[in-house]
Amino acid sequence: AQSVTQLGSHVSVSEGALVLLRCNYSSSVPPYLFWYVQYPNQGLQLLLKYTTGATLVKGINGFEAEFKKSETSFHLTKPSAHMSDAAEYFCAVSVWAAGNKLTFGGGTRVLVKP
Amino acid sequence: ETGVTQTPRHLVMGMTNKKSLKCEQHLGHNAMYWYKQSAKKPLELMFVYSLEERVENNSVPSRFSPECPNSSHLFLHLHTLQPEDSALYLCASSQDNTAYEQYFGPGTRLTVT
Repeated sequence: AQSVTQLGSHVSVSEGALVLLRCNYSSSVPPYLFWYVQYPNQGLQLLLKYTTGATLVKGINGFEAEFKKSETSFHLTKPSAHMSDAAEYFCAVSVWAAGNKLTFGGGTRVLVKP
Repeated sequence: ETGVTQTPRHLVMGMTNKKSLKCEQHLGHNAMYWYKQSAKKPLELMFVYSLEERVENNSVPSRFSPECPNSSHLFLHLHTLQPEDSALYLCASSQDNTAYEQYFGPGTRLTVT
């Protein structure tokens, strides 16, 4: 079965600083990987996804993530944090063999300081 | 309306009440899902429907009863809930139940008193 671990349940960054959210997965077969964002009182919105092909994936709002198979990681970055990036971020994995069910990490809440 | 909508957005109910959560998707998808999001716990998949048939039930207590009358609508009927059932209930849809991309609604915040 696949699993996801997000390191750090809370991250605090200054406005304009680099945002780095860590995600490691476990899967015995090639995974599909996702980052979702949840703003207060809202549902989850897909930020970006990796399925096949280029390992550096660009998403919405200036975020990107890199799939590193050797490290079983899919870390999310944004070069310069904006106040509007304050939200909770979820990494998720699915595999074809498991019917593409999404398995989510525990989430990382991002606080952006002015 | 676009995307996935859920009503009500907030619900407070007593343990002896019966209530229903409603989800509607306007994306032409064939699969719909219920998730439970509790504080300090990862999202939990509860039910999966594909073409109005339940294809997955993740050991959810019988006090939660899903209904999918057509591919656009999904309900979650609630009765005799417990305080630990208080959570955000999220609905999602996808092209089909093997599609990896899911679209989420805003959720219903449920409080059981």
